[in-house]
Amino acid sequence: ELKVEQNPLFLSMQEGKNYTIYCNYSTTSDRLYWYRQDPGKSLESLFVLLSNGAVKQEGRLMASLDTKARLSTLHITAAVHDLSATYFCAVGTASNYQLIWGAGTKLIIKP
Amino acid sequence: KAGVTQTPRYLIKTRGQQVTLSCSPISGHRSVSWYQQTPGQGLQFLFEYFSETQRNKGNFPGRFSGRQFSNSRSEMNVSTLELGDSALYLCASSVAHRGIGETQYFGPGTRLLVL
Repeated sequence: ELKVEQNPLFLSMQEGKNYTIYCNYSTTSDRLYWYRQDPGKSLESLFVLLSNGAVKQEGRLMASLDTKARLSTLHITAAVHDLSATYFCAVGTASNYQLIWGAGTKLIIKP
Repeated sequence: KAGVTQTPRYLIKTRGQQVTLSCSPISGHRSVSWYQQTPGQGLQFLFEYFSETQRNKGNFPGRFSGRQFSNSRSEMNVSTLELGDSALYLCASSVAHRGIGETQYFGPGTRLLVL
């Protein structure tokens, strides 16, 4: 059974600092997604990672994937208040038409 | 291109009633997935439809059902509502959801409150 664990579940940080959110999964997967959710809103796609060593960057966010370690990271560089949200990772396989989701990391960035 | 739309956005029901939620995917998207989101259980997969066929189902009781129409629009139905069914129900669409790298685009959700 595919399980996904995120940590930390809650993160409060100051603007300008760097931090990393971790996403571990339990079995082989061929795709990993990162999504963002603002309070009371829906989910917004951030990154899709497909292969070992994949790295994608958008602004202050960078995601990477290590399929051997079954680990993805979402790194935040020089955080700004607008990045405050809950971040989810989700893992799936092409043979199974569903995604398994992490519990989410609630990120609060203080000015 | 219009995004995924869901109706209604908010709904209040009482225990024992039934409810139908609707989802219109992005034009050209043929796969629709449904999720339940609660503070306690997080995001849980309900089912996924492609070309009017249910391809996969999550671990939910039979009170939860769905269907997809020929225009890819989808509905989900919950019968005999329980208090624990109170949640945000999210619909997501993708082009085919079978290929590598498919991204699911989410609608705004329907917030259901069961009293």
